Amino acid sequence: QVQLVQSGAEVKKPGSSVKVSCKASGGTFSTYAFTWVRQVPGQGPEWMGGIMSIFETPNYAQKFQGRLTLTADEYTSTLYMELSSLRSDDTAVYYCARDTGYTGYDFWGQGTLVTVSS
Amino acid sequence: EIVLTQSPGTLSLSPGERATLSCRASQTVSSSYFAWYQRKPGQAPRLLIYGASTRATGIPDRFSGSGSGTDFTLTIGRLEPEDFAVYYCHQYGSTPPTFGQGTTVEIK
Repeated sequence: QVQLVQSGAEVKKPGSSVKVSCKASGGTFSTYAFTWVRQVPGQGPEWMGGIMSIFETPNYAQKFQGRLTLTADEYTSTLYMELSSLRSDDTAVYYCARDTGYTGYDFWGQGTLVTVSS
Repeated sequence: EIVLTQSPGTLSLSPGERATLSCRASQTVSSSYFAWYQRKPGQAPRLLIYGASTRATGIPDRFSGSGSGTDFTLTIGRLEPEDFAVYYCHQYGSTPPTFGQGTTVEIK
């Protein structure tokens, strides 16, 4: 059973950056693909990007190109999502999830609330 | 990108009743890469169905998925108190993966 534990809530100023971590346990980290999804209150989830393998270049949604950086640390089994040039409409809950490819996103982190406010 | 439109927005039902949730795609979706999730307040989404009709591990058999092409359905056979939640459809066969806006199943 894979467990994903994310870092705590953040409050950021517009124009700043946020970095959210997601620590994985259970299973073999280096063999998994992971994805990041965010959910703005009142809206459906939104795919941000994913890492098919920690050794491959991440894929980013066009909307976040240039602002989003996804990384993975094999030694600590931790994923990182960094979003820069934050705006108020980036206020959302951010999730990491394991992407099984065929069988969907089966394990999720608990979510990290990022609030962007001046 | 493929837009998923869920209906109805809210479903008001009583425990024991049957729930039928719909999801329509703006273009053909591969059934192999279609899922449903349940989300309760303060919790992460929970995978219910993948491949349009296969229940994920540990999901009760009152949950069933069907559909193909552009029209997909999630059916909850007899609602239990713990089933009142928000449900999202999701296609992950086309980039970018997309989600519906959700259907809230509330207690009548």
